[in-house]
Amino acid sequence: QLQLQESGPGLVKPSETLALTCSVSGDSVSSYSYSWGWVRQSPGKGLEWIANIYYNGRTYSDPSLRSRVTISVDKSKNHFSLNLRSVTAADTAVYYCASGSSRVNDGFDFWGRGTTVTVSS
Amino acid sequence: SYELTQPPSVSVSPGQTAMITCSGDILSKKYGYWYQKKPGQAPVLVIYKDSERPSGIPERFSGSSSGTTVTLTISGVQAEDEADYYCQSIDNNNSYYVFGTGTKVTVL
Repeated sequence: QLQLQESGPGLVKPSETLALTCSVSGDSVSSYSYSWGWVRQSPGKGLEWIANIYYNGRTYSDPSLRSRVTISVDKSKNHFSLNLRSVTAADTAVYYCASGSSRVNDGFDFWGRGTTVTVSS
Repeated sequence: SYELTQPPSVSVSPGQTAMITCSGDILSKKYGYWYQKKPGQAPVLVIYKDSERPSGIPERFSGSSSGTTVTLTISGVQAEDEADYYCQSIDNNNSYYVFGTGTKVTVL
């Protein structure tokens, strides 16, 4: 069974870069059987998709965040990462890493527990 | 960008049936997915590809699709089903995901 665990700073200053990592256990991030992604939920708001990365290295991100987002995979550490540049208070949220199996295809059937990130000076 | 619209809230008595709709043009071409989200917990996939149920999800959860609308039905609602529910799909070019606006299900 695939398991995901987010890690990263709980507090980030405005204009800095938010860097989060998702550790994967139960399978390899190199597996073609999964997509890997990030989703967030700001206080009082709904779920917001951020970005995905696939086994072939292709990445996709929400158009509203695309200019600030980088998603990447580190095969040696079996994890994938999110960098969000130039953060503001609007980026305060619970950030979830997630994975979609080939069975599910274009959704996420595995989720991390989430990590809370606050943007504040 | 694509939008998926859900009713803000649905109220249902225990044992009754709750139906949550999700509307958007993309749903006539792409599958819909449904997630249950409880406070302080990660989302849980309850329906994928319009009507498929993941293992471990109770049979009272079912999904259907018609035209530009997908529907999540919870039959015989239980108190533990009180949560926010989000639909989700993907754009025409299979490049970005979009979540619906979310529906709060209240069990009376």
